Amino acid sequence: SQQGEEDPQALSIQEGENATMNCSYKTSINNLQWYRQNSGRGLVHLILIRSNEREKHSGRLRVTLDTSKKSSSLLITASRAADTASYFCATASGNTPLVFGKGTRLSVIA
Amino acid sequence: EPEVTQTPSHQVTQMGQEVILRCVPISNHLYFYWYRQILGQKVEFLVSFYNNEISEKSEIFDDRFSVERPDGSNFTLKIRSTKLEDSAMYFCASRRNGQLQPQHFGDGTRLSIL
Repeated sequence: SQQGEEDPQALSIQEGENATMNCSYKTSINNLQWYRQNSGRGLVHLILIRSNEREKHSGRLRVTLDTSKKSSSLLITASRAADTASYFCATASGNTPLVFGKGTRLSVIA
Repeated sequence: EPEVTQTPSHQVTQMGQEVILRCVPISNHLYFYWYRQILGQKVEFLVSFYNNEISEKSEIFDDRFSVERPDGSNFTLKIRSTKLEDSAMYFCASRRNGQLQPQHFGDGTRLSIL
């Protein structure tokens, strides 16, 4: 399966620090997406990176994609307490459904 | 900004009963999905729906599950003969046409089977 798997499973940082989460997958994709999930809530789409892109920015978010290594990273700069959430990568190929990883639980301590 | 809405937010049902989970996707979206998330686990795909028919389904989506888009706005998931292991958060998602369009998720329905 084109399963996305994130690491670390949990990450705890101080407010203002940067947080980096990684994702690996197994098969060919045409895009990879990152989502955030606050406790008990739905998934919020953060950023989509196409397979022919290497890096993408959105505000304090920076995503990289290395298709040769089948991996992606999400960097959140200058973290805030409000960034506390679980972060999931999800892969897609064509019109196939998203395949999610297990997520990284990020705790940002004020 | 338009969003996907799901009702109810929490559904408690006796084992063996039928439940219907409701979703209103974003109006100009053409692809619709149901996912579920058992507590503490990853989000799992159930079914995708396009052009008024199921386009793909997973092993989880067995004969007890069905989907319907009865009126051009609602998208429902029905589970018959519910089991304890059906207890989970169920998320509806929709997206526009185009393979590089992101999916937009609702806040989910927490289904508890007793």
